[in-house]
Amino acid sequence: AQSVTQLDSQVPVFEEAPVELRCNYSSSVSVYLFWYVQYPNQGLQLLLKYLSGSTLVKGINGFEAEFNKSQTSFHLRKPSVHISDTAEYFCAVSEILTGGGNKLTFGTGTQLKVEL
Amino acid sequence: NAGVTQTPKFRVLKTGQSMTLLCAQDMNHEYMYWYRQDPGMGLRLIHYSVGEGTTAKGEVPDGYNVSRLKKQNFLLGLESAAPSQTSVYFCASSFPGLSPQHFGDGTRLSIL
Repeated sequence: AQSVTQLDSQVPVFEEAPVELRCNYSSSVSVYLFWYVQYPNQGLQLLLKYLSGSTLVKGINGFEAEFNKSQTSFHLRKPSVHISDTAEYFCAVSEILTGGGNKLTFGTGTQLKVEL
Repeated sequence: NAGVTQTPKFRVLKTGQSMTLLCAQDMNHEYMYWYRQDPGMGLRLIHYSVGEGTTAKGEVPDGYNVSRLKKQNFLLGLESAAPSQTSVYFCASSFPGLSPQHFGDGTRLSIL
């Protein structure tokens, strides 16, 4: 079974500082990884995805993530955060289901709090 | 630019009552999903559908039923609500394969 571990439940950071949100996965098959962001009282929005190819993936809002197969990690980074980045971030691993469908297994989330 | 729309947004039920949550998408997606989100647990898949008239169980299906009578709609039913079903419910939809899932804004359900 696939699983995702987000090591930090909360990450406080000052505005304009860099941030890294950690994600480790466990999978016995091909790995497809996603980062989603959830703003308060909203649904999840896709930040970026890794399906294959380059291990450095760039997403929206200046975020990027690096797929590291040897360390089974997919950490999310941003070089300079803004107050508007305050949100909860979810790492997810995908598997194709028998008969179709695409099951996302989510981590428990990391609350990023950007302070002035 | 509606995307995925969930109704209602909030609901309070008493134990034993029934209700149906509605999800509608206007992106012509084949696949639709229902998740529940609980504190400290991320999102867990309840049921999903790969096309009109088809449904399948996810990770936590007990106590829920679903129907996909039309391609654009996916209904989640609670026949006899229990306090353990207090949660935030999210609907999502996607194209086949590894296409990203698009999420609605959620339904906050409290069962007393």
